[in-house]
Amino acid sequence: EVQLLESGGGLVQPGGSLRLSCTASGFTFSSYAMSWVRQAPGKGLEWVSAISGGGVSTYYADSVKGRFTISRDNSKNTLSLQMNTLRAEDTAVYYCAKENSFPVFDYWGQGTLVTVSS
Amino acid sequence: DIVMTQSPDSLAVSLGERATINCKSSQSVLYSSNNKNYLGWYQLKPGQPPKLLIYWASTRESGVPDRFSGSGSGTDFTLTISSLQAEDVAVYYCHQYYTTHTFGQGTKLEIK
Repeated sequence: EVQLLESGGGLVQPGGSLRLSCTASGFTFSSYAMSWVRQAPGKGLEWVSAISGGGVSTYYADSVKGRFTISRDNSKNTLSLQMNTLRAEDTAVYYCAKENSFPVFDYWGQGTLVTVSS
Repeated sequence: DIVMTQSPDSLAVSLGERATINCKSSQSVLYSSNNKNYLGWYQLKPGQPPKLLIYWASTRESGVPDRFSGSGSGTDFTLTISSLQAEDVAVYYCHQYYTTHTFGQGTKLEIK
């Protein structure tokens, strides 16, 4: 059974940093690209960042480019998102999502809440 | 970036009736080399992660009831629920995966 478990969310002040993690199980982690997708309160889904299976290629939404860094450790089946220079508009539930070969998001974690506020 | 625009923003349908949600992309998501539309649909219920319903614009994900169907090509797409059930109350999102990823703004589906 595929499982994705996010952690690391919490309250942080504007300008601060936070690191999210996602631990995967139930599939060959290194074979699949992974993404972070967020949902701000009362808003829709927004794709944030993606990383290829081997970790060589990374992609970012314009809204986070230069502030967020996605990475993965395939030996530990872990996906990470380093978030720096956080803004109030980064407040959201952050989901870790597995991409299948198409690539659509076929499995999602339960999400972790990030709140940026003073 | 490809912009996805859904209509309507909200929709109220009686139980057993048909629900139709539209999605328009700012550029074609049809890949000519394989003739596939890089368009998916997701269902999002409160407190739950999104659930994949449809990919390639019209292929149902395994386990998704056949009352859900997708259609369209190029820039115009539709998600249809043929006979609305109470458990279908949710927000529905279209998603293009032609170039990175973009979601529509969502359509809230309620019972009339």
